[in-house]
Amino acid sequence: QVQLQESGPGLVKPSETLSLNCTVSGGSISSYWWTWIRQPPGKGLEWIGYIYYSGNTNYNPSLKSRVTMSVDTSKNQFSLNLSSVTAADTAVYYCARKGSGASWFDYWGQGTLVTVSS
Amino acid sequence: EIVMTQSPATLSVSPGERATLSCRASQSVSSKLAWYHQKPGQAPRLLIYDASTRATGIPARFSGSGSGTEFTLTISSLQSEDFAVYYCQQYNNWPLTFGGGTKVEIK
Repeated sequence: QVQLQESGPGLVKPSETLSLNCTVSGGSISSYWWTWIRQPPGKGLEWIGYIYYSGNTNYNPSLKSRVTMSVDTSKNQFSLNLSSVTAADTAVYYCARKGSGASWFDYWGQGTLVTVSS
Repeated sequence: EIVMTQSPATLSVSPGERATLSCRASQSVSSKLAWYHQKPGQAPRLLIYDASTRATGIPARFSGSGSGTEFTLTISSLQSEDFAVYYCQQYNNWPLTFGGGTKVEIK
């Protein structure tokens, strides 16, 4: 059973960079696309982008200028960096696996709350 | 960007009753639509993909239909564990987008 676990600081100051990792267990990170999705408190879901195990990426245009994703196959891990954060970036951040067929998401991490505040 | 609109925002249903949830796309997404449900404090769980294919382990009481711009998720007989927020998601165009959700609550 594939499991994903997010990790990273729960509090980030405005204008700084939010950095999260997602560790994949129970399966290889290879041959799949991996994604980040966020959910502001009490609101709906926003797709941030995804990354292939080879490093190819596809980002949401609304966040593209601030987002960088990377992958470390040796650690079975992928990462999200979101720069110049504001309070609007406060959200639960989920990592997930893109399904083998198309861009639906079949395995999710439990999510981690990141608050942007000074 | 394709806007996904879900209705109603809240649906009050008694256990054992049928629930019908709607999702409308601002332009055609073919059959590239998924449904998820999310319980409080948990991650979303994939229910349906390709508009009508149940994901692994999803009970037969969940069914999806539709194509183009109009989609429906039907829960034939609501169980206690089905009370949650339901989201639709299109993957026909980038960026991938989700609907605002329908909360299914106990009547």
